[in-house]
Amino acid sequence: DVKVTQSSRYLVKRTGEKVFLECVQDMDHENMFWYRQDPGLGLRLIYFSYDVKMKEKGDIPEGYSVSREKKERFSLILESASTNQTSMYLCASRKSGTGVEQYFGPGTRLTVT
Amino acid sequence: GENVEQHPSTLSVQEGDSAVIKCTYSDSASNYFPWYKQELGKRPQLIIDIRSNVGEKKDQRIAVTLNKTAKHFSLHITETQPEDSAVYFCAASSAGNQFYFGTGTSLTVIP
Repeated sequence: DVKVTQSSRYLVKRTGEKVFLECVQDMDHENMFWYRQDPGLGLRLIYFSYDVKMKEKGDIPEGYSVSREKKERFSLILESASTNQTSMYLCASRKSGTGVEQYFGPGTRLTVT
Repeated sequence: GENVEQHPSTLSVQEGDSAVIKCTYSDSASNYFPWYKQELGKRPQLIIDIRSNVGEKKDQRIAVTLNKTAKHFSLHITETQPEDSAVYFCAASSAGNQFYFGTGTSLTVIP
């Protein structure tokens, strides 16, 4: 059974703080993704990584960066958190290839005050 | 890039009735179309998917249809039950690794 875990379920940070969100998967998946989920906007891709040390910008990368030093771990970094980054953040992973599903983590509800 | 549109954004049905959610996509190279269900406070989970070489797929009360020519696909839930209440997301993917998600449909099944 695939397991994708995220470091925190709830997080409260202050404006200007540096924030780290971590995601770990245990199924040797090549691809990992970070989304943010906002009401009415669905799932918007922030960054994804198709291999260790590789990263690609998604649709809304501004204000975010990522790190993937090990295959199982994908980190999302908010260099200087702002109130408009208050959101639900979902990590996902999948094996590389066509027609392969994504598995999601439980999500991190981030509030920036 | 790909653009996926999903309708309706909210849907209420009586228990036992059918529910239909529709999605359109723009990139003819898309060849994999999953549907995810997200219950309140939980992670999205795959409920059914279809590949472009298939027109329809069923799994008990859930079915998905795909019209490649028109670039649209639909989720059909029959004999709805209260536990079907959730947000449903469609997605499209091509040979690349990225999934493009619709904006979601909040389904409420009224007992």
